[in-house]
Amino acid sequence: QKEVEQNSGPLSVPEGAIASLNCTYSDRGSQSFFWYRQYSGKSPELIMSIYSNGDKEDGRFTAQLNKASQYVSLLIRDSQPSDSATYLCAPGGNSGYALNFGKGTSLLVTP
Amino acid sequence: DAGVIQSPRHEVTEMGQEVTLRCKPISGHDYLFWYRQTMMRGLELLIYFNNNVPIDDSGMPEDRFSAKMPNASFSTLKIQPSEPRDSAVYFCASALPLGTGGRNEQFFGPGTRLTVL
Repeated sequence: QKEVEQNSGPLSVPEGAIASLNCTYSDRGSQSFFWYRQYSGKSPELIMSIYSNGDKEDGRFTAQLNKASQYVSLLIRDSQPSDSATYLCAPGGNSGYALNFGKGTSLLVTP
Repeated sequence: DAGVIQSPRHEVTEMGQEVTLRCKPISGHDYLFWYRQTMMRGLELLIYFNNNVPIDDSGMPEDRFSAKMPNASFSTLKIQPSEPRDSAVYFCASALPLGTGGRNEQFFGPGTRLTVL
């Protein structure tokens, strides 16, 4: 079984702070990585996909990938209460799509 | 586009009954995925199709579960007989061909909440 580990949280940060979400994975063959956001009672939606080592920025979101350490993270700058959700990490499988999801980290942004 | 459509949205049934979940993917998407989500196990892939052909069904729990995709616009997930441990939210997702747009994004439907008594 290919493992994906995330701290379940909840991670609580004040509004305006930086939220840092972390994920480790066991499959060294993974070439793509995905962060999905899931609001309570809703379906997951893609926030970021990253394929190369280093940082990838999209608005307030930055994904960081270190394949040697088998580690991927998501930073959320200027956190807003609307960012409160569960964030799912998923390495891409042989298909290239996110197939093996972590259990997610619950983020709570307090006003 | 209406997005991925799933029906029913809620299903309550008794142990031993047959349950059929339905999914209509986004038009033009040639990948279709079925997931199950529970608090204990998280979001688990059950099976996925490419161009209506099952590619990986290693996540299907046991023979009680079966999935079909008779055409590009329709898929079913069937559980027969159902058991209380099958209670979960079942998501269907669809995706464009790999590499299209660069994000390799899966678009999830609203899910079917299944309760087996």
